[in-house]
Amino acid sequence: AQSVTQLGSHVSVSEGALVLLRCNYSSSVPPYLFWYVQYPNQGLQLLLKYTSAATLVKGINGFEAEFKKSETSFHLTKPSAHMSDAAEYFCAVTLNDYKLSFGAGTTVTVRA
Amino acid sequence: KAGVTQTPRYLIKTRGQQVTLSCSPISGHRSVSWYQQTPGQGLQFLFEYFSETQRNKGNFPGRFSGRQFSNSRSEMNVSTLELGDSALYLCASSFEKPQHGAFFGQGTRLTVV
Repeated sequence: AQSVTQLGSHVSVSEGALVLLRCNYSSSVPPYLFWYVQYPNQGLQLLLKYTSAATLVKGINGFEAEFKKSETSFHLTKPSAHMSDAAEYFCAVTLNDYKLSFGAGTTVTVRA
Repeated sequence: KAGVTQTPRYLIKTRGQQVTLSCSPISGHRSVSWYQQTPGQGLQFLFEYFSETQRNKGNFPGRFSGRQFSNSRSEMNVSTLELGDSALYLCASSFEKPQHGAFFGQGTRLTVV
């Protein structure tokens, strides 16, 4: 079975600072990995996905993530935080079983 | 291109009633998945449909059921509602399978009183 663990349920960053959200996966075979963002009272928006084409994946809104097989990690980064980045972020994994398994989520607050 | 549309956005039901939620996927998408989101349990997979066939089902009681129509629209039904069924129900559509990328609707907020 596949799963993901998100380290840190809350992250607080200053506007303009680096955003780093950590995700580690557990899978016996190469997985498909995703990052989603959720704003209050909204659904999930796909930020980026890893599908084995390239280890560094660029997404929307300036986010990117790097797949590191040796560390079983897929951390999400953004060089410079903006107030609009305040939201909850979810890492997700799937194999070929038609379902996504989500991490518990990380809430990001951005300080002015 | 229109996104995933879920109706209704909000519902209030009484314990013991049943409820039907609707999801219209992105045009051309044939895979539809349903998820339950609660503060305590997080995001949990309910079921996935493709071409009117359920391909996977999560660990939920039989009170939770779903179906998909020939136009790929999907419905989920919850019978004999319990207070613990209060949650945000999210529908996601994918081209053929979730690994292609799943796109979510705004969700239906169900409150059971």
